[in-house]
Amino acid sequence: GAGVSQSPSNKVTEKGKDVELRCDPISGHTALYWYRQSLGQGLEFLIYFQGNSAPDKSGLPSDRFSAERTGGSVSTLTIQRTQQEDSAVYLCASSPAGEETQYFGPGTRLLVL
Amino acid sequence: SQQGEEDPQALSIQEGENATMNCSYKTSINNLQWYRQNSGRGLVHLILIRSNEREKHSGRLRVTLDTSKKSSSLLITASRAADTASYFCATDLDYKLSFGAGTTVTVRA
Repeated sequence: GAGVSQSPSNKVTEKGKDVELRCDPISGHTALYWYRQSLGQGLEFLIYFQGNSAPDKSGLPSDRFSAERTGGSVSTLTIQRTQQEDSAVYLCASSPAGEETQYFGPGTRLLVL
Repeated sequence: SQQGEEDPQALSIQEGENATMNCSYKTSINNLQWYRQNSGRGLVHLILIRSNEREKHSGRLRVTLDTSKKSSSLLITASRAADTASYFCATDLDYKLSFGAGTTVTVRA
């Protein structure tokens, strides 16, 4: 079946601009996660959605970052007033209810000039 | 902050040899997972070991977990060129995964 998809694959933007990154989880998966991976680093947790519960936003690095998940499916991560340090690969993952394994998308590579 | 730390940072081996990498972590966990990443893109889940398990096998993969030492190891036997990738351990306490910086494995033909 279809895996997690993310768009765009690559995004180049200018410092100060807003960007939106999209994630389509695997159909039926109730949990959705966003992570950030800076060059040569491990993944940094950003935010977690589980069903209709309030999201866990504890990993968001600043108030310039926000995310929403509409209808329990598609999620959008928004970065406002981008900074050069926001350059990274942003990865989305989803999980079915009751399963700990996370299924990752291919990521969006963001470059802020 | 990163919970896990992999060792070594990089590993180069000949095809057919075994590759071993280690992971240490700091806090208690529900389970520990290993993932593979090719070319800096999406991660692929390899194996999950629960906190009450000590060893697990999956094909050519063998994972051990020592909760008293807060460490885990991943062994890849009879390596192939296709095993060239970065390998990450991830600890799971409350659904959030905390990743280390990874071990980059290069398998030479």
